[in-house]
Amino acid sequence: EPEVTQTPSHQVTQMGQEVILRCVPISNHLYFYWYRQILGQKVEFLVSFYNNEISEKSEIFDDQFSVERPDGSNFTLKIRSTKLEDSAMYFCASSGPSTIGYTFGSGTRLTVV
Amino acid sequence: RKEVEQDPGPFNVPEGATVAFNCTYSNSASQSFFWYRQDCRKEPKLLMSVYSSGNEDGRFTAQLNRASQYISLLIRDSKLSDSATYLCVVNVRDDKIIFGKGTRLHILP
Repeated sequence: EPEVTQTPSHQVTQMGQEVILRCVPISNHLYFYWYRQILGQKVEFLVSFYNNEISEKSEIFDDQFSVERPDGSNFTLKIRSTKLEDSAMYFCASSGPSTIGYTFGSGTRLTVV
Repeated sequence: RKEVEQDPGPFNVPEGATVAFNCTYSNSASQSFFWYRQDCRKEPKLLMSVYSSGNEDGRFTAQLNRASQYISLLIRDSKLSDSATYLCVVNVRDDKIIFGKGTRLHILP
């Protein structure tokens, strides 16, 4: 079964540092997403990406966040200057013709200290 | 009204019992509906899509009521392994899905 792969599984960073979270979506999918889940809270939409550009973003996705699809397979989320409140599980997802619904990666747990 | 609303639970249900969850959504233009399951500290995994005609997958039955804007999930003959958080997910359009906060289910031996 095709899957979405995320690396690293856990990232610890100091406040103010930049982090890049990486994702490899399912190969023939067309839509890509980042979601986050703060411990004990709901899964929150951050951004969707289609046709090499952002199609929608939430209020959470401010100027500190950016996404890229640098090489046609990877899909990255960059946080420029991390804050303590950015600590969360970040999930990448993709959707497309080969699967029903959205397939999520296993997540990257980001801890900002 | 919240975009997607669920009773957070927890629902504590004895093994073998039947349990049902409901979820309401606010956007009448919503197109697709799903139930996802999330285990502790894991990613959400698709349990089933929800269709207007209702659909069944083994012990799980999902229903959609567009007029009242709610969806439901019924689990029959519950197993210990059904213990998880069940997420109601609504697709507003191709590029955005919204999650409910989830309903926690504990199956008791």
